[in-house]
Amino acid sequence: AQKITQTQPGMFVQEKEAVTLDCTYDTSDPSYGLFWYKQPSSGEMIFLIYQGSYDQQNATEGRYSLNFQKARKSANLVISASQLGDSAMYFCAMREKIGANSKLTFGKGITLSVRP
Amino acid sequence: DAGVIQSPRHEVTEMGQEVTLRCKPISGHDYLFWYRQTMMRGLELLIYFNNNVPIDDSGMPEDRFSAKMPNASFSTLKIQPSEPRDSAVYFCASSLAVAGEQFFGPGTRLTVL
Repeated sequence: AQKITQTQPGMFVQEKEAVTLDCTYDTSDPSYGLFWYKQPSSGEMIFLIYQGSYDQQNATEGRYSLNFQKARKSANLVISASQLGDSAMYFCAMREKIGANSKLTFGKGITLSVRP
Repeated sequence: DAGVIQSPRHEVTEMGQEVTLRCKPISGHDYLFWYRQTMMRGLELLIYFNNNVPIDDSGMPEDRFSAKMPNASFSTLKIQPSEPRDSAVYFCASSLAVAGEQFFGPGTRLTVL
């Protein structure tokens, strides 16, 4: 089974509206972490937000929030008040322990396009 | 801090040549990661170091790939001999802790002809 699943092939949103990017995960590690990264067309990977598996509240960072539903194993990213600069690829990633090591696994990514 | 620094930003080489990619992590970060990104396979972890020691190299595709970290401020990823299927963007990232957020460098776009 895939560790991280991002099934939306491409998303479009009108400027100033909110958008949700989906992410589901699979792990047997009880102590894991979930990350979202943004990759604009320039290519760099930009950290957006983090959610720990034991965190009681959903993480928020400015216009980004993470809708963490532990029982459903989903960690959707919500971007409020979309801006043109939000157009990019978005990657969900999970950090889990595998044996003695800790590993970060990335999903395939979702392309978001913000329309003016 | 300048962030994670990678060089070169772009590399074009011919099949069979040796390629060396370089990375300078953020000062004070104990963990350094090498990733490869391709359209087909997405972003894959190749290897990571803790305090200059390789911890997990299970993602290194084959013996043609090797990585070193001679000191806390420098790491290299070497491909010898290079092949066209090695063409990808190679990212270096560093973090304070293995569970913490990773800060990525700008990547090296490698093209092997």
